[in-house]
Amino acid sequence: NAGVTQTPKFRILKIGQSMTLQCTQDMNHNYMYWYRQDPGMGLKLIYYSVGAGITDKGEVPNGYNVSRSTTEDFPLRLELAAPSQTSVYFCASSLRTNQPQHFGDGTRLSIL
Amino acid sequence: DQQVKQNSPSLSVQEGRISILNCDYTNSMFDYFLWYKKYPAEGPTFLISISSIKDKNEDGRFTVFLNKSAKHLSLHIVPSQPGDSAVYFCAAFLISNFGNEKLTFGTGTRLTIIP
Repeated sequence: NAGVTQTPKFRILKIGQSMTLQCTQDMNHNYMYWYRQDPGMGLKLIYYSVGAGITDKGEVPNGYNVSRSTTEDFPLRLELAAPSQTSVYFCASSLRTNQPQHFGDGTRLSIL
Repeated sequence: DQQVKQNSPSLSVQEGRISILNCDYTNSMFDYFLWYKKYPAEGPTFLISISSIKDKNEDGRFTVFLNKSAKHLSLHIVPSQPGDSAVYFCAAFLISNFGNEKLTFGTGTRLTIIP
């Protein structure tokens, strides 16, 4: 019963590098989300998707890109890493938008 | 603009006693409220929810109360157990006809249960 799986769990990047945070879910959920959590803050929505091929911006999308080619996968891409992107990133999915979201265990990303 | 606020960053409660976590919101249009629990190095997990048409929802040791006039909700845990030590997030959303409801999270309250 995997649920939402995120990889990697930890990563250190240099300023200007790029990387992709992977997220996959096996619950056949149409809705998927990317959040970031900064210390002492709540989760802020970066991007979300209502189904394969459809994505939209959340509250803090700058510096990120997403794609949704399949129902299962929703990768988040950082093109030019900046220190302000140091955070813990959570991926989530839900059956419908008005249903509770299921979260992965997060990716802790440090930009140095 | 923090639409969902948890003003207590931390709370310590004796094992067996009642834990009360509070949450205030500013948007009177919110239709649905949820509480999530988060352990270190794990993602948040859904705990309990309440619709704006209700004022109370109970699930075992957990009860959520909603006071719409005060724009306030609270989570009661009775009796508190050591495994309840975690960070608790309050969240809210508006139901729409467009299928684009998005959760707004509070900043969280760290609950510590003292044995």
